Amino acid sequence: EAQVTQNPRYLITVTGKKLTVTCSQNMNHEYMSWYRQDPGLGLRQIYYSMNVEVTDKGDVPEGYKVSRKEKRNFPLILESPSPNQTSLYFCASRPQQGSTASYGYTFGSGTRLTVV
Amino acid sequence: SQQGEEDPQALSIQEGENATMNCSYKTSINNLQWYRQNSGRGLVHLILIRSNEREKHSGRLRVTLDTSKKSSSLLITASRAADTASYFCATGPYNNNDMRFGAGTRLTVKP
Repeated sequence: EAQVTQNPRYLITVTGKKLTVTCSQNMNHEYMSWYRQDPGLGLRQIYYSMNVEVTDKGDVPEGYKVSRKEKRNFPLILESPSPNQTSLYFCASRPQQGSTASYGYTFGSGTRLTVV
Repeated sequence: SQQGEEDPQALSIQEGENATMNCSYKTSINNLQWYRQNSGRGLVHLILIRSNEREKHSGRLRVTLDTSKKSSSLLITASRAADTASYFCATGPYNNNDMRFGAGTRLTVKP
């Protein structure tokens, strides 16, 4: 089944304790992206990647890191989480623009992160 | 910053009625997409309309695009309780940025 898998689904952590949210896709998509969703603010892009070893900042990159060492994986790293990073996080992937397939995003199920 | 803005923020209708949601955007686009999100879950891609298209259909969904007004609408006909969800429009990708989503319209369909 074509899917984006992110883990964990729920995470409660303390301020300052480094954490990683994993994301993996099995569709050989070039693009991967991380979004956070907060009430009243919709989805805001954190980072995206156009291909292996190519990443770029979205609208709210502060406090986050990403890496794209393999095409299928795009982990999100919070080196020193703070309470304002409490949010619902989504990983998504899509094929390259211009391919014959629709380049709508396929989303993971989400990670609800609470930083106390 | 958000590119698309959906209107209304919330919409409540009876089953069987039609639901119309609107999206306005600020800059030129190559395409516009609509997504659905059931409560707390990942977004699901519904339909994509390209900038040179004016209308597109998919089942009970009808999307229109007016590039002169920088707006799009999503019509769900003969709504069902299962259509209860939030609906988002998304535009892009842009030259050095990826797709951007609006804040969404929360649709409630009462049985």
